[in-house]
Amino acid sequence: DIQMTQSPSSLSASVGDRVTITCRASQTITNYLNWYQQKPGKAPKLLIYAASSLQSGVPSRFSGSGSGTDFTLTISSLQPEDFATYYCQQTFSTPRCFGQGTKLEIK
Amino acid sequence: EVQLVESGGGLVQPGGSLRLSCAASGFSFTNYEMNWVRQAPGKGLEWVSYISSSDGTIDYADSVKGRFTISGDSAKNSLYLQMNSLRAEDTAVYYCARDSKLHYYDTTGQRWPHDVFDIWGQGTMVTVSS
Repeated sequence: DIQMTQSPSSLSASVGDRVTITCRASQTITNYLNWYQQKPGKAPKLLIYAASSLQSGVPSRFSGSGSGTDFTLTISSLQPEDFATYYCQQTFSTPRCFGQGTKLEIK
Repeated sequence: EVQLVESGGGLVQPGGSLRLSCAASGFSFTNYEMNWVRQAPGKGLEWVSYISSSDGTIDYADSVKGRFTISGDSAKNSLYLQMNSLRAEDTAVYYCARDSKLHYYDTTGQRWPHDVFDIWGQGTMVTVSS
């Protein structure tokens, strides 16, 4: 099975900051990589698919990049509503596993 | 409105059984692949099971294989997860999630389908404890 590793596990930042979260796959997944945002007590929400494609309705301050085994999610200018936990997910093969999550907190 | 609503969670003793339901509205679940994903308290997301109504494909995480059974009822537009031989480590919020295909166009213009979990239910809590 493919393993997904995110870093960091947690991150403190301020409104307006530029933030980058990294996800690494244990083997190549080309660009079969999704990013989700989850707020406390809520279901995850799809942000990015195919590593770099923005889901409809998601603000353009979110962007994704990468291919092969290394991927990044970037938030260009943090807004108060962006403080949440972010998960990557590979869909290259089953099981379609998730990374362990990155909790983004207010500094 | 497109939505998923889970039900059936609760408190059960170790070794017991529980059946979760996920009612779909606004779309026919037989046109999509469907998944169950769980999240233990304070932990991350764990994919549990998958069903494709179109070709009958079913898959399970190793942690639940042989104990959980996924199924669907097209007449009720609902997905189910039968959970047997429950353990403390099965304690979690269980989400059903729709698996859609969004298309990515590469630099040559070729179209590639990508699976995404685009619609999620609100989750139902399962607690396994004596």
